Order: sequence, then structure tokens, then C-alpha cells
Amino acid sequence: EDKVVQSPLSLVVHEGDTVTLNCSYEVTNFRSLLWYKQEKKAPTFLFMLTSSGIEKKSGRLSSILDKKELFSILNITATQTGDSAIYLCAVEAWTGNQFYFGTGTSLTVIP
Amino acid sequence: DAEITQSPRHKITETGRQVTLACHQTWNHNNMFWYRQDLGHGLRLIHYSYGVHDTNKGEVSDGYSVSRSNTEDLPLTLESAASSQTSVYFCASSESPWAGIQETQYFGPGTRLLVL
Repeated sequence: EDKVVQSPLSLVVHEGDTVTLNCSYEVTNFRSLLWYKQEKKAPTFLFMLTSSGIEKKSGRLSSILDKKELFSILNITATQTGDSAIYLCAVEAWTGNQFYFGTGTSLTVIP
Repeated sequence: DAEITQSPRHKITETGRQVTLACHQTWNHNNMFWYRQDLGHGLRLIHYSYGVHDTNKGEVSDGYSVSRSNTEDLPLTLESAASSQTSVYFCASSESPWAGIQETQYFGPGTRLLVL
């Protein structure tokens, strides 16, 4: 059964801490992995990863994919209260062009 | 097991046609959402509903409509399909009855729509 699992489910850190969010997947005919930041209603796209070992970076956020071990991590350095959100991981499969979403990691950054 | 399903999974239609995409959830969630995903834009909110007979416009609602006659279903209708509406459409649901509360949404598998 195809699935995407995120860990931890929730995380509370202090401002300035570095956090690592995990996404593992078992999806047949992997096409891409996407990270989203979800605040209130609409998730915001962060990264799309298709190749192993190539880090994508945007400011304090970075992500990398390991297609051999079937996981991705999302790193956030020097966290700020504005980073508080749910972070979603999704995997797209070539077969049926289907998307599989994880249940998200809820990150709370306290001052 | 509870789930959220979308149908059809793939659709090809012609410009000007009316198209309806179905979304059905068995979570008994109050909140339901429709998004479209386009390369470079990520997910954009089209319409959402906080309960039966409640519907609200999202960021990109022009050309789309929804109706909520029961808890389980939120069909999305393209009144007159345009090529700019070629996209992947996601339906999602969440539990909280309170607007604006940060919480996990559960996503359907998506519908790929091609408008020729």
C-alpha cells in the first residue's frame, strides 16, 4: 500500500533552535516529493524534489531527498515564531498521476 | 477506514463545457476545501465550506462554484471551462468547526483536468 509518513507528529521548540522534519514514503513509481507549509486554510508550496542528494534551499529552509532510503528531510535553522505551522509532505507517483499526502508535522516555535 | 475520494481522477474536456469534479469524505469533517495546483504556484484555494449550506470564496474562485448539501460531499463546478483551468485539483477536509484554527487537512488523491 502506498503511503507517506511524517515524523514527528508535533514539535515544540524555542526561537533560534534548528529543527529537522522527516518524511518517509513507500510509493510505487515515484515522480516527485513536495513540501508545503500550512497556515490556517491554504498550504504554501516550499520545495519540489525529484533527484537524490541535491539540496534545495530557500532562506533558512532547506530540504534534501534520498531516493534509495525513501525519505526526505526539511531543515529549518534559527527558527522564528512565524515558522509555527503544519508542514506537509506529499509524493507524486507516475502511476495514475496520484498524489499521497502525509498527515503533517505541527511545529510550534515559542519566543 | 475513513477516507477522502475524488472523481474522476482524470478528465479531458473542451473549452466552454461545464465540468463537475466530485469530492466525498467519510471523516464526517465539517470543513472541506478545493485547491488547484499549478507548476510554480503550489496549492491555491478555490472555495471552502465550514458546514452544510456554507460556502466561501478562496483566492482563485472566478469561474468556479461549489455547493454543500450534505456533510460528505463538496462538488466543484467549472461553469464554462477555460484552458487556464487546466490543472490538478485537490479536495481536502478537516475537523475543526472554528475558522482559522491551524490544523491538519486530509487531502484526496487529486483530479487532473485538461481543457482543450
